[in-house]
Formats: sequence, C-alpha cells, structure tokens
Amino acid sequence: KNQVEQSPQSLIILEGKNCTLQCNYTVSPFSNLRWYKQDTGRGPVSLTIMTFSENTKSNGRYTATLDADTKQSSLHITASQLSDSASYICVVSAGGNNRLAFGKGNQVVVIP
Amino acid sequence: GAGVSQSPSNKVTEKGKDVELRCDPISGHTALYWYRQSLGQGLEFLIYFQGNSAPDKSGLPSDRFSAERTGGSVSTLTIQRTQQEDSAVYLCASSPDSGAFYEQYFGPGTRLTVT
Repeated sequence: KNQVEQSPQSLIILEGKNCTLQCNYTVSPFSNLRWYKQDTGRGPVSLTIMTFSENTKSNGRYTATLDADTKQSSLHITASQLSDSASYICVVSAGGNNRLAFGKGNQVVVIP
Repeated sequence: GAGVSQSPSNKVTEKGKDVELRCDPISGHTALYWYRQSLGQGLEFLIYFQGNSAPDKSGLPSDRFSAERTGGSVSTLTIQRTQQEDSAVYLCASSPDSGAFYEQYFGPGTRLTVT
C-alpha cells in the first residue's frame, strides 16, 4: 500500500476558480512534507516544505496546510490560471538520508 | 545557475538492448538520486549517492539496473537487456546534502520506451 495517498486523482476547474487537493500519509517517523508541481514533460519543482510544527505555508497563490496529528495535508490554489495545469505531487520525508515517499499526484486541468 | 540536466531526453530502444542514461547534477551538490516514474504511478526511488559513501541501491528493481557516479559529479544509470516494463520516465535529482530538510532539484527526465 502506498504510504502517500492523494485525492482527487484528477480535477478540471475553470480559470479564476479555487481548488483544494488532499494528501493523506502513513509515513513514520515524519520529518517534513512537500508539495511539488510537475508540468507535462518536466521534472517536479518544489512549491512548499513544512515540518510537523508548521500548520500552513504559502507560496504565491499556493497555500499548503498540514495536520501532523491526523497525517493530512492540503494544497489550495487560489484564482487558478491556465499555467496551473499540472500534476501536484505530495511528498513525505521520513528523515535520515532524505529518502522521499511520493504520492501519485493530483492532475489539475484549468480551462478558460 | 544551471539546473540538473539529463540526456538523452528521449530514448527508444529494442527489447534486449542495453541503455545508458546520464545525469549532470547541480555543481557542488553532494547527494544524487535516481527515480523512475511509470505512467499513472508515483515516483519510485531507485538509487542514491552521497559523497564518497557507498550508494544506497535498495530501490533497484533487478540486477539489470546499475548506476555509477564518477568524481562525485556526473552519474550514469545503466539498464541491461531492457524489457518492455522498463518503459518509464527516469528522473534524476540532486541536493546540497543528504539531510532531510535539503531540497531535491529535479532534472527534466529521460523518457525511455522499450519496443
């Protein structure tokens, strides 16, 4: 069973609208949680990184939340733009040598 | 500065052939990771290099897969006797160090298709 589960698998939203992506994890011990954006044909690019003591972190129109007690995270995209069309990957680090556990990603398509 | 680069960007090979994939990490980064991304799947860890330490090969799926890192910089992932199930995007990432809070910077990947 994957240690990082994301939902929804895919999402279509209208330009200008908001959306929220969910991530549940079972990785233990927990060091930090990251959200990456992966455009088609490109490598993932980091959006946010949060430790267990952080509840929220923003990067422009992207806001990530973390509840380390329930092992849940969300990524909220505000006022979506066409360039937000991508896969958003939730990644959890258990510490040590920076081995990462990856979710399968939320595929977001923004339409005009 | 220059990011992580990978070559080739695309590789089509016949089943049974060997392939070599190259990764040029960010200069000065001591940690280097190889991942595989199959269609509809999350990234799968393959192998990890940190400085001059012995690599962590625990993610390699079979003995047909191997990797080396020369001079602590460029890395090559070799797949021998390729199979169709090896078709995937192979991503390389580098990091300033191997600690849990260091960012991993990804290359654009090599898309491997085995026919």
